Amino acid sequence: DAKTTQPPSMDCAEGRAANLPCNHSTISGNEYVYWYRQIHSQGPQYIIHGLKNNETNEMASLIITEDRKSSTLILPHATLRDTAVYYCIVRVETYSTLTFGKGTMLLVSP
Amino acid sequence: DAGVTQSPTHLIKTRGQQVTLRCSPKSGHDTVSWYQQALGQGPQFIFQYYEEEERQRGNFPDRFSGHQFPNYSSELNVNALLLGDSALYLCASSPDFGRGLQETQYFGPGTRLLVL
Repeated sequence: DAKTTQPPSMDCAEGRAANLPCNHSTISGNEYVYWYRQIHSQGPQYIIHGLKNNETNEMASLIITEDRKSSTLILPHATLRDTAVYYCIVRVETYSTLTFGKGTMLLVSP
Repeated sequence: DAGVTQSPTHLIKTRGQQVTLRCSPKSGHDTVSWYQQALGQGPQFIFQYYEEEERQRGNFPDRFSGHQFPNYSSELNVNALLLGDSALYLCASSPDFGRGLQETQYFGPGTRLLVL
């Protein structure tokens, strides 16, 4: 699976949009981009995934660049409860495992 | 609809002992994966079970073994515990749609194991 690069930490003010970047420059055409987050000492929580089109659900939006070499997870109105480590994962096919990096620690402040 | 559940939540063992951790998958899921998460690191894949067989395995020694039951629940066993086995052990379940279709893994809350 392709390797991903994320900033180690980011800050966001409560109520503002949080934009978390991820680089995956070696991504292949059949690889999906997945986002999970992990609130302190809990299990990772699935957020969203996509292949090449932008995706939106009740939690977040995923914007994938046209060349698919990078993506951005957008939390439109961050709250204190969104403080967590966010993992961007590139996954090649069904049954493939999730390879976690160190992720981005997002701190949402009042 | 209950999500993925794991037991126990916390466990303390001593070096050389054996431990069994348990996982019940989300309703409708038949595939269970186990991950180990050391402090400050991302989760690392241990193995995955489907149809009561180990389908994939990560880079973990044979001291780590597992089992899946006909009701899709699963156990993770670790023998001859080492201090370095102290970690959060995560179970994730997913449905099997067949090859070619993406399925999403959903995680349980984890079992925190401390080896003294």
